[in-house]
Amino acid sequence: DAKTTQPPSMDCAEGRAANLPCNHSTISGNEYVYWYRQIHSQGPQYIIHGLKNNETNEMASLIITEDRKSSTLILPHATLRDTAVYYCIVRVGGGKLIFGQGTELSVKP
Amino acid sequence: DTAVSQTPKYLVTQMGNDKSIKCEQNLGHDTMYWYKQDSKKFLKIMFSYNNKELIINETVPNRFSPKSPDKAHLNLHINSLELGDSAVYFCASSRLRGEGTDTQYFGPGTRLTVL
Repeated sequence: DAKTTQPPSMDCAEGRAANLPCNHSTISGNEYVYWYRQIHSQGPQYIIHGLKNNETNEMASLIITEDRKSSTLILPHATLRDTAVYYCIVRVGGGKLIFGQGTELSVKP
Repeated sequence: DTAVSQTPKYLVTQMGNDKSIKCEQNLGHDTMYWYKQDSKKFLKIMFSYNNKELIINETVPNRFSPKSPDKAHLNLHINSLELGDSAVYFCASSRLRGEGTDTQYFGPGTRLTVL
């Protein structure tokens, strides 16, 4: 089973920041948090990952709470092309990615 | 210069047939994976191979047999296809064995429809 909980859907206005929350209260000390997104049944696209520290790349920022029990993915300036299902995943042992239901983000003009 | 490619993109076949889906990666990665996404959109891992060695084998019917001729290819052969096998199948690859920060990159998917 997935070790994460996400809201099923969210809306965001184009040009605004999209903040996608994720709870992972049972995360272990050496488990990473990964974010992927899936645009309309295409293959999942890697966005970002982190362990303890906040991370930023050209796509997004990842904020992980100090107790590591939750995180937030931030898309700083959402565009219509960011409409997708966003998956927050805790990487468990053995290399498996266990996907949950994800958050369906709709970016509206 | 597609990183992870799959063929075919669409596959429509009759119950009882045997079919194969091919996956190739040109990233120089050591590990490849097969995932299944059913009609409810849940993505589940099926298998993974590291350098032609099976390292993950989830509870999948033995009608499904992965084959890795070399580390750049991982094919999925399905015998005696059933209606419930209809799904989108995604191939993925990662540089190492998928632990820690080893990121998996996905192919575009193969939509299998069993009639």
